[in-house]
Amino acid sequence: DIQMTQSPSSLSASVGDRVTITCRASQGINNYLAWYQQKPGRVPKLLIYGTSTLQSGVPSRFSGSGSGTDFTLTISSLQPEDVATYYCQKYNTAPLTFGGGTKVEIK
Amino acid sequence: QAQLVQSGAEVKRPGASVKVSCKASGYNFSGYALHWVRQAPGQRLEWMGWINPGNVKTKYLQKFQGRLTMTSDTLATAVYMELSSLKSEDTAVYYCARGLSSGWTTTAFDIWGQGTVVTVSS
Repeated sequence: DIQMTQSPSSLSASVGDRVTITCRASQGINNYLAWYQQKPGRVPKLLIYGTSTLQSGVPSRFSGSGSGTDFTLTISSLQPEDVATYYCQKYNTAPLTFGGGTKVEIK
Repeated sequence: QAQLVQSGAEVKRPGASVKVSCKASGYNFSGYALHWVRQAPGQRLEWMGWINPGNVKTKYLQKFQGRLTMTSDTLATAVYMELSSLKSEDTAVYYCARGLSSGWTTTAFDIWGQGTVVTVSS
C-alpha cells in the first residue's frame, strides 16, 4: 500500500506568515490528493481536492500544488482561525490513506 | 442542505460488537459513496472502507477484513458500520463521510457526520 508522509509534524508561526506543509506519497498518485483541516474537537473539513482545487467556501489564502509524489499545502497569510491539524489524503485507489497530520499553532 | 447524522456514543466490552448508523439527508442518497473513517485518541485519521448505496458494493481496509460489515438501507437513507470482536485499540471516534464526486468511490470527502465515540473497556 502507498504510504503518505507529512512534514513537519507541527509548526508554530506568526499571524500573517506564509506557511507551507508538505505531503509525500511513497508512489505516484497522479493528482488524486486532498487536504483537510481539523480544528480541535471538530470534524475534518475538506479544503482542497485534485491537488489544487479549492473546495467551495474555503478562503483563497489556502492553496495546493504538486504532482506525482510530492504535494504542498500553503497558507499565504496565517490567521488565528487557521489553528488546526492539517491532513493530506490520497484517493487514486483504495486504501484511501491519510497522512500523519501537521499541527499548526500561532507563535 | 446535504448532511449526515450519526448515532450516539457507545461503550462496549472487549469481544463485543458495535453498530453505528449514519443517516443521510438533503441529496440523492444512491448517487454517492459513503465512507467510514476513524480516529483513535491523538492519532491520525484512518480510512476503514466504503459502501456504494447505489449498488451496495463495499470495500474494506485489509486490516478489518472479517470483522467489519457495512450495510445500507435505501428507504431509510442510512448506512451502518458494524465492527465485531472489539479490542481496546478500537476505541476511537468513528466518522461517516460522503464522497465528493457522484458515482465515484475513489474521491475526496466533502460532507462528514458529527462523529460517534466508541469506547472499548472492560
